[in-house]
Amino acid sequence: DSGVTQTPKHLITATGQRVTLRCSPRSGDLSVYWYQQSLDQGLQFLIQYYNGEERAKGNILERFSAQQFPDLHSELNLSSLELGDSALYFCASSVVGGSYGYTFGSGTRLTVV
Amino acid sequence: AQSVSQHNHHVILSEAASLELGCNYSYGGTVNLFWYVQYPGQHLQLLLKYFSGDPLVKGIKGFEAEFIKSKFSFNLRKPSVQWSDTAEYFCAVRERFGAGTRLTVKP
Repeated sequence: DSGVTQTPKHLITATGQRVTLRCSPRSGDLSVYWYQQSLDQGLQFLIQYYNGEERAKGNILERFSAQQFPDLHSELNLSSLELGDSALYFCASSVVGGSYGYTFGSGTRLTVV
Repeated sequence: AQSVSQHNHHVILSEAASLELGCNYSYGGTVNLFWYVQYPGQHLQLLLKYFSGDPLVKGIKGFEAEFIKSKFSFNLRKPSVQWSDTAEYFCAVRERFGAGTRLTVKP
């Protein structure tokens, strides 16, 4: 157990639907990062939040959004889902800016049918 | 554009062989460099990190990496691999990851 908790572990949904993925960072970590891992795209950085504020943005689609709440947990919202959104979504956390590396959760496997 | 490149997609070695996985990056300013490992069915784990000081860094499980600033490289090495090293290895610069290198070690 890395200390980063992601729920749910698996999610199957239909095209056009909306889902929310949840992440609780390791105790003491203020930054949360979201990644999408697929076979053809590798590990793609989506977005980073630090203490409730958006800090950096990567290859995140407009259909996707995220937020970090006062208790530091984060949610990634995926809407108008397409087959190509099927992937493993990882959350990672770090103390501040990530100079010491990130701690990853076990991921949420999303399957869009 | 900021990027992280890993040269090899899949490397196959026999046990006891030496390993070197290449990583080059294109980044301005201060870089924090990392190697992560992902064992089959598991989450990514930090192998080692560099942000300043001695450019040769040692990590867990006998891995080491060398930061060569002039070559924008941060290659991962291990003198003698084991079957249990079979995994996917990712180089990262700050929050950006390379595409990964799958290592298969044959017993």
